[in-house]
Amino acid sequence: QSVLTQPPSASGTPGQSVTISCSGSSSNIGSNYVYWYRQFPGTAPKLLIHRNNQRPSGVPDRFSGSKSGTSASLAIRGLRSEDEADYHCAAWDDSLSGPVFGGGTKLTVL
Amino acid sequence: QVQLQESGPGLVKPSETLSLTCSVSGASISSFYWTWIRQTPGKGLEWITDFYYTGTTNYNPSLKSRISVSHDMAKNQFSLKLSSVTAADTAVYYCASLPGSQTAMITFWGLGTLVTVSS
Repeated sequence: QSVLTQPPSASGTPGQSVTISCSGSSSNIGSNYVYWYRQFPGTAPKLLIHRNNQRPSGVPDRFSGSKSGTSASLAIRGLRSEDEADYHCAAWDDSLSGPVFGGGTKLTVL
Repeated sequence: QVQLQESGPGLVKPSETLSLTCSVSGASISSFYWTWIRQTPGKGLEWITDFYYTGTTNYNPSLKSRISVSHDMAKNQFSLKLSSVTAADTAVYYCASLPGSQTAMITFWGLGTLVTVSS
């Protein structure tokens, strides 16, 4: 059981938009930045969104992050087949004094 | 570009100690904070520990009693030991870098290494 809660799966068709949620508490999302990582099968996760809604260089603006209270969301618009991957949210947790993660959401592009 | 590579046995017997080393290239280990994270199918990603070369070290409380971390400045490597392993410690183990303390921002990841605990 992960500290942050994500839906195990999400799906959409090419061109559609999809949103992945991440729910936490006041000790993590409620008081710290949220990060999103994308992971392709057999590879390590890679930073997709940092500081709630900032995209690292090279990440297209089809990807956007938002945060409200103790929840966060990752939105992907204009879905492409290459977006099929696992998406993980993360945040620093003041109680744990360490980073916590969601269980990951497997995105399928139908 | 910082590159990290984990190395160590892929199979460890129950009750024994898991030992992994992370070799860093492209940066000195004095440049960043460093962390170990593991991933299991059932529990997702789990933070194990992180440290700075000065000796500042943080541990996941659930694993703290079993963890030992060290680093070798000359070899630009750092290591993890996890004692008294059980099947629950079977996971892909990643070493990675952090830009600073108290952050969930992981900037560079190793490729990961699968460690299976089995007799």
